[in-house]
Amino acid sequence: SQQGEEDPQALSIQEGENATMNCSYKTSINNLQWYRQNSGRGLVHLILIRSNEREKHSGRLRVTLDTSKKSSSLLITASRAADTASYFCATGNQAGTALIFGKGTTLSVSS
Amino acid sequence: NAGVTQTPKFQVLKTGQSMTLQCAQDMNHEYMSWYRQDPGMGLRLIHYSVGAGITDQGEVPNGYNVSRSTTEDFPLRLLSAAPSQTSVYFCASSYSGREGYTFGSGTRLTVV
Repeated sequence: SQQGEEDPQALSIQEGENATMNCSYKTSINNLQWYRQNSGRGLVHLILIRSNEREKHSGRLRVTLDTSKKSSSLLITASRAADTASYFCATGNQAGTALIFGKGTTLSVSS
Repeated sequence: NAGVTQTPKFQVLKTGQSMTLQCAQDMNHEYMSWYRQDPGMGLRLIHYSVGAGITDQGEVPNGYNVSRSTTEDFPLRLLSAAPSQTSVYFCASSYSGREGYTFGSGTRLTVV
């Protein structure tokens, strides 16, 4: 069964606006990762947050993690048309030897 | 360029045929895994490996075999293709599993 569930399933915004995606997971984790997938392409790793971290930044990305609620959020600030993609959260399987993905959020940024 | 290489990029099979999807990485990564991606389902883990000679089943292993004879290669075998195996397949690798994974560009498989 899939570990993470993203919310919303789809998000449409204008360029310059912020985009927030949420991820909930079921079991305890060592870390949580976010990936981006452009249409028809492979996944690209964006950011990893460890279970003892509450917030992490990378450029225009901000990730938060609340282990008590088993949830994470990805904020993309000042969105650009090039941010149009699907975004997935992923956590480790029980042994931490592979990733388990959610179903993803499809972000559409229009100019 | 360093990375994960998947071949072929596209393949059409007839029901009952067998084939091998190739995955190779040149980053000396120990952890490798295979996923399938279907519309609305995200990525589902098929098989994974933590090093040469070590493999294990993921969420949806039925109908697929893997082996890991070298650190670099992790082929995925479809024993007898079925239309339900029509999907996009991704291979991924990581040095230790405690950092981000690098993904290949995928193989789009159609079984008719």
